[in-house]
Parts: sequence; structure tokens; C-alpha cells
Amino acid sequence: EAQVTQNPRYLITVTGKKLTVTCSQNMNHEYMSWYRQDPGLGLRQIYYSMNVEVTDKGDVPEGYKVSRKEKRNFPLILESPSPNQTSLYFCASFPTGSGSEQYFGPGTRLTVT
Amino acid sequence: RKEVEQDPGPFNVPEGATVAFNCTYSNSASQSFFWYRQDCRKEPKLLMSVYSSGNEDGRFTAQLNRASQYISLLIRDSKLSDSATYLCVVNRRGHNDMRFGAGTRLTVKP
Repeated sequence: EAQVTQNPRYLITVTGKKLTVTCSQNMNHEYMSWYRQDPGLGLRQIYYSMNVEVTDKGDVPEGYKVSRKEKRNFPLILESPSPNQTSLYFCASFPTGSGSEQYFGPGTRLTVT
Repeated sequence: RKEVEQDPGPFNVPEGATVAFNCTYSNSASQSFFWYRQDCRKEPKLLMSVYSSGNEDGRFTAQLNRASQYISLLIRDSKLSDSATYLCVVNRRGHNDMRFGAGTRLTVKP
């Protein structure tokens, strides 16, 4: 089954404790993105990757890191989480082309206390 | 001003009603347009792409007005299962970063 998986689905952590949210896709898509979704703001792009070892900042990259060592995986790293990073996070993948449908993972609900 | 703006709603309509959502975008370089559906606490899923000539998929009709920079979604004969948040999405020419509206929430009641 074609899908995007994220782990963990739910996470409660404390300020400053490094964490990683994993994302994996099995559709051989070149493009992958991370978004955060907050009430009234919609989805905002954090980082995206056009291929292995190629990443670029989205609209809200501060406080986040990513890596793309393999085509299928695109982990999101919070080196020192803060309460303002409490949000719902979605990973997405899509084939090349600006008219492509994006396939989203199930989401990770993160709470930083 | 947000790059993509939608009326947040909520729209509360009875079953069988026709409901329309509008979405405006500010970047005239926008090239691709989509409507996504998002159920509560779930991931967004593509409902339909929006083509220049307008397009229809069953009870759903999407229109694009490039001159006025807005897109619309019309849902006819609303079903209870149409209750969700509808996200307007645009993509700029030559880029692969989608811009999402904050969503319009629809509740269809018996």
C-alpha cells in the first residue's frame, strides 16, 4: 500500500529535550516536506527536500533541522524544543512537478511543556 | 495579508443543501490550484485539482478565476459525510512549495 508513515503519532516532552520525528514514504517520490498546523494559521511549511541531500527552508524553519540521506526518509529534528513548537506536524511526499498531489502522513501531535 | 485566504466558517447546512466556498490568493505567479479535504485530527487528502476551464467531479465543482485571483468549490446535494474542513491550496510557478489556506469548516446536519 502506498503510504507516508510518521512516528511517533503523539509525543509529550519537556523544553530542551532533543527529539526526532521520523517520516518515511514508499512511493519513490523525490519531494518531501514537513508542515506544522496551528489553529487559524493553516499548514505552514517548515522544510522541504527536492531529492537526497537537497533540502531547503520553508516559511517557518527556525528551531528545526532536517536531513535526507535516503530517498524514502525525511526526519524532522528539534534540537531544543520550546513550548511554541507545540503543534500538529505533517510530513508529505510528492513526485516532481508543481502540479503534483501531495500525500500526507497521519500527523504527529507534539506537546512541549 | 495571508497569501491564501479563506472564510473560516463554520458553515452549517442541512443535508441536501448546496454550499459554496471561495478562496483568494495574492500571488499572481500561482500556477497550480487544489482543494484538499481534512477530517478532524486527520491528514489532508486531495479532493480535486482546479483547472483553468473549471472542472467537476460528481457533486463537486471547482472554478478558477485568474483575473480576480480566486478559486471556488461548490458542493451540491450535501451529505453528512461531507462534514470536514476544506483547504484551498496554491502553488507558485516553478516552485514546489504549496501555500495552504487556513481552511473552511463545513458541518452538514440531518
